[in-house]
Amino acid sequence: QITLKESGPTLVKPTQTLTLTCTFSGFSLSTSGVGVGWIRQPPGKALEWLAFIYWNDDKRYSPSLKSRLTITKDTSKNQVVLTMTNMDPVDTATYYCAHRHLIVVVGAFDIWGQGTMVTVSS
Amino acid sequence: DIVMTQTPLSLSVTPGQPASISCKSSQSLLHSDGKTYLYWYLQKPGQPPQLLIYEVSNRFSGVPDRFSGSGSGTDFTLKISRVEAEDVGVYYCMQSIQSFTFGPGTKVDIK
Repeated sequence: QITLKESGPTLVKPTQTLTLTCTFSGFSLSTSGVGVGWIRQPPGKALEWLAFIYWNDDKRYSPSLKSRLTITKDTSKNQVVLTMTNMDPVDTATYYCAHRHLIVVVGAFDIWGQGTMVTVSS
Repeated sequence: DIVMTQTPLSLSVTPGQPASISCKSSQSLLHSDGKTYLYWYLQKPGQPPQLLIYEVSNRFSGVPDRFSGSGSGTDFTLKISRVEAEDVGVYYCMQSIQSFTFGPGTKVDIK
């Protein structure tokens, strides 16, 4: 059974750097075709994809946020870490991580974590 | 960037009646590998999104057969044959042929 759980601060100040951790079980990020993505959702708004990392350490970023994002993985710990610099109140959102496999379900984000709410405020 | 649009943005449905949501992409989602990278998600209140449909028309494990997807290229449709109370929430389409983009969502509630 695949599970993912997001963790990190609930409150950050403007201009600070946000670091979120996705801890997962039920799969390995060293398995070919596997990846983990980050998606966020401001309160009452739509989903927005942020970043994605593949089993081979290939990384993809949202073009609009690329300069502020870094995604890394620690295969031994079953974790994926997302950092976002220069946080602003508009970055207030629930942040989700999700599992994806290139072949299984043809690359959908099939299993999601419960999400973690991050508020940006001074 | 590929832009996803959905219509309608909200829908109020009588239980037992059908419902239909349209999703359009600004570029074709048909890949050279022959697959079309279009998915549908339902986000129930207070929950993360859950996968309903992958590759246009394939139901994910455990998804009731009252949900069906169709379409090709840039035009896609999600249909619910008989809406039930548990189907309320926001429905999103998503593409992954070029990075990932979600539609704006369609909020479905019960009359």
